[in-house]
Amino acid sequence: SQQGEEDPQALSIQEGENATMNCSYKTSINNLQWYRQNSGRGLVHLILIRSNEREKHSGRLRVTLDTSKKSSSLLITASRAADTASYFCACGRTGGFKTIFGAGTRLFVKA
Amino acid sequence: SQTIHQWPATLVQPVGSPLSLECTVEGTSNPNLYWYRQAAGRGLQLLFYSVGIGQISSEVPQNLSASRPQDRQFILSSKKLLLSDSGFYLCAWSLVDTDTQYFGPGTRLTVL
Repeated sequence: SQQGEEDPQALSIQEGENATMNCSYKTSINNLQWYRQNSGRGLVHLILIRSNEREKHSGRLRVTLDTSKKSSSLLITASRAADTASYFCACGRTGGFKTIFGAGTRLFVKA
Repeated sequence: SQTIHQWPATLVQPVGSPLSLECTVEGTSNPNLYWYRQAAGRGLQLLFYSVGIGQISSEVPQNLSASRPQDRQFILSSKKLLLSDSGFYLCAWSLVDTDTQYFGPGTRLTVL
């Protein structure tokens, strides 16, 4: 069964609003990562949170991890039109071989 | 700094024709290398990964093969393309024993 299932599948917000995306997974992980993909481009790594961490910040990004619920959330504060992209969570085990990517959340930020 | 290249950017091929997609990494040694396929609006499916020259692991049975003739070169091939091989192919690398992956720009393959 697939790990890293994002919710919602699509999200449309106004510029300046916050965007929250959720990710659920099924088995134990060493870390969870979030990536961004602009249309027709490769993925860009945003942030990695380890299984012993609960929250991590990077600029306007805030990631939480709840290993008891097997879930993570990505919050983008004060969104901008340039944040329009697909966002993927990826469940990692050391070595990367079995990093499983979810289907992604498509975020559209309206100017 | 490290850079990853993929080419071509787009490719349209007839059914039954061969395929060769190339990926090269600069600025690092002995990276782990990966090939993914992404269907439209979907997540990534891991096709192959490699931990060293000549060492290839396949994740799914399919019409494709991969080779790593040099440390920083990863090639995805097919002898005869199928319609179902259409998709967006992404190459990625990571440092050994780390999970963060760095992706190339991708190749859009359309099989007609």
